Amino acid sequence: EADIYQTPRYLVIGTGKKITLECSQTMGHDKMYWYQQDPGMELHLIHYSYGVNSTEKGDLSSESTVSRIRTEHFPLTLESARPSHTSQYLCASTGIGGGAGFGKQYFGPGTRLTVT
Amino acid sequence: GNSVTQMEGPVTLSEEAFLTINCTYTATGYPSLFWYVQYPGEGLQLLLKATKADDKGSNKGFEATYRKETTSFHLEKGSVQVSDSAVYFCALSDQPSGGSNYKLTFGKGTLLTVNP
Repeated sequence: EADIYQTPRYLVIGTGKKITLECSQTMGHDKMYWYQQDPGMELHLIHYSYGVNSTEKGDLSSESTVSRIRTEHFPLTLESARPSHTSQYLCASTGIGGGAGFGKQYFGPGTRLTVT
Repeated sequence: GNSVTQMEGPVTLSEEAFLTINCTYTATGYPSLFWYVQYPGEGLQLLLKATKADDKGSNKGFEATYRKETTSFHLEKGSVQVSDSAVYFCALSDQPSGGSNYKLTFGKGTLLTVNP
């Protein structure tokens, strides 16, 4: 059902490398989100965007940055990866402002990042 | 601020057993309530929702009733299957307002394992 994609699905990379996690959706949704999911399964919102050229930091402080140049694309970048960045990263989107569809976020399959 | 407290897991059941996962919330105003499910190796997907007091959300044999008096939204299923093994998240969202809050507040997740 969901038309939201994340690449890569798995990434193992060395400390100090720059990485970009890709997230794209084909639903025309204006609102997009990045969550970090720890091994205990808890979700933490790290970035969100309510439209092109609009980005905000989430509830959990993160060293990552995001950009929103196109509606469908919301990449996340780590300038210098560290072992503490090892986690699962989930991208989500929603396009409904209210009514019956409100609150339904569509999630991508996630990127599992390991920094060695 | 908003918060969601859900039953800690893991929960292990035999096939055809009855399932309850407790969820209580704290919120200002009149939030909408959700249950999301995450199957192994996948992102989250919406399982069911309720947008006002006494509403019952249902899907795939799962049910949850929005109880304003007890600020609860417990998830139930009468007879679980092995295929129900997953992580379940309770979540809430304030209704969008002039401030346009489109964020979800998630509980910490409950891992359910169903054995044959």
